[in-house]
Amino acid sequence: EADIYQTPRYLVIGTGKKITLECSQTMGHDKMYWYQQDPGMELHLIHYSYGVNSTEKGDLSSESTVSRIRTEHFPLTLESARPSHTSQYLCASSDAGDIGNTIYFGEGSWLTVV
Amino acid sequence: AQKITQTQPGMFVQEKEAVTLDCTYDTSDQSYGLFWYKQPSSGEMIFLIYQGSYDEQNATEGRYSLNFQKARKSANLVISASQLGDSAMYFCAMREGWNQGGKLIFGQGTELSVKP
Repeated sequence: EADIYQTPRYLVIGTGKKITLECSQTMGHDKMYWYQQDPGMELHLIHYSYGVNSTEKGDLSSESTVSRIRTEHFPLTLESARPSHTSQYLCASSDAGDIGNTIYFGEGSWLTVV
Repeated sequence: AQKITQTQPGMFVQEKEAVTLDCTYDTSDQSYGLFWYKQPSSGEMIFLIYQGSYDEQNATEGRYSLNFQKARKSANLVISASQLGDSAMYFCAMREGWNQGGKLIFGQGTELSVKP
């Protein structure tokens, strides 16, 4: 059972609002990831982190930002939401060391910007 | 750059029959890992099976097996004795070594529908 949690699960907000999607894991994993996924489509990596104070942009350009001040916490922020940001955002984490270490996913945050 | 390709957007299978979901990959790295995930309509990602590039035996996990053909760069998922609950999106993914970032890159996905 994966111990990685995302809040909120569902969010509908107006254009121009600032939002933060929360992601927390209790497994002590160093590596954490944010993926963006439109319904029925592939997952695109938008941010990742190797540990505290380490963040990198992923393969898909995103206007969002992330921070990693604590090992267990990896929030994603949109300063000014737009309808093009409507999507599902999935947070994931894994232990370092072995390439085969399972990557655990949260249940996802469905964001709708109106 | 690494790449994962799933050429079957949708597949149908009769309940209790076996089905193969195709996945090919491209990488210049010698050390990499291949994963399959299941995503039901609820949106969560469920890990199914893993194959390391140096593993000589094909991975198996219950009704799931991975048909790994390294020279052809393919990692097909075989589901035996399909069940109605297997209806979902299936994603193939690849992870390169830590010096490449250890990122997990996904294919486009295959939507599997199991018919009673």
